[in-house]
Amino acid sequence: GAVVSQHPSRVICKSGTSVKIECRSLDFQATTMFWYRQFPKKSLMLMATSNEGSKATYEQGVEKDKFLINHASLTLSTLTVTSAHPEDSSFYICSARDRLAGVGEQYFGPGTRLTVT
Amino acid sequence: GESVGLHLPTLSVQEGDNSIINCAYSNSASDYFIWYKQESGKGPQFIIDIRSNMDKRQGQRVTVLLNKTVKHLSLQIAATQPGDSAVYFCAETPYNFNKFYFGSGTKLNVKP
Repeated sequence: GAVVSQHPSRVICKSGTSVKIECRSLDFQATTMFWYRQFPKKSLMLMATSNEGSKATYEQGVEKDKFLINHASLTLSTLTVTSAHPEDSSFYICSARDRLAGVGEQYFGPGTRLTVT
Repeated sequence: GESVGLHLPTLSVQEGDNSIINCAYSNSASDYFIWYKQESGKGPQFIIDIRSNMDKRQGQRVTVLLNKTVKHLSLQIAATQPGDSAVYFCAETPYNFNKFYFGSGTKLNVKP
């Protein structure tokens, strides 16, 4: 089946530093990847849609300069949290859509737990 | 984003019983709906989907019902097992599958 990986699975960083999270589709090509944020006991909030080779589309209220997204290839998208602050602590999840899939199914990564101290 | 919400935040059922998890959505233009299961500390897993031109779809032990008139979606799990304990989310997307919007989630507790 389709597998999406994320790295790192957990990261702790100091306030003011930047953190990069990678999302990879391991056995399929993903023209579109999505980045979500999830607070404890809450739902997934769509942050941005990332299309290979073009700029990401951010949801309303998401700061594009703070959450930098790069989708350089059909199997890799990265999310960089710049100048992280404690309020950025969250569970970040990516998903990828298989361009060959007949329906709009998306495959989720295992998530990255970010803690900013 | 679009509004997709759930009626019940938690649901406790006895092992072997059937479970019904409900979801309301607000965008009548939504064309495709998915139910996901999320275990603690993990990403969501696909359970079952349904297109807007259908009102029922069955999988293994799961059934999704769609009522477009009242914009309501439900997930039925037959013979619920302890391994079904998780948080369940519905998600919806318009016809072009451009974005997926998630409901607030229901935690299912299965008592042995």
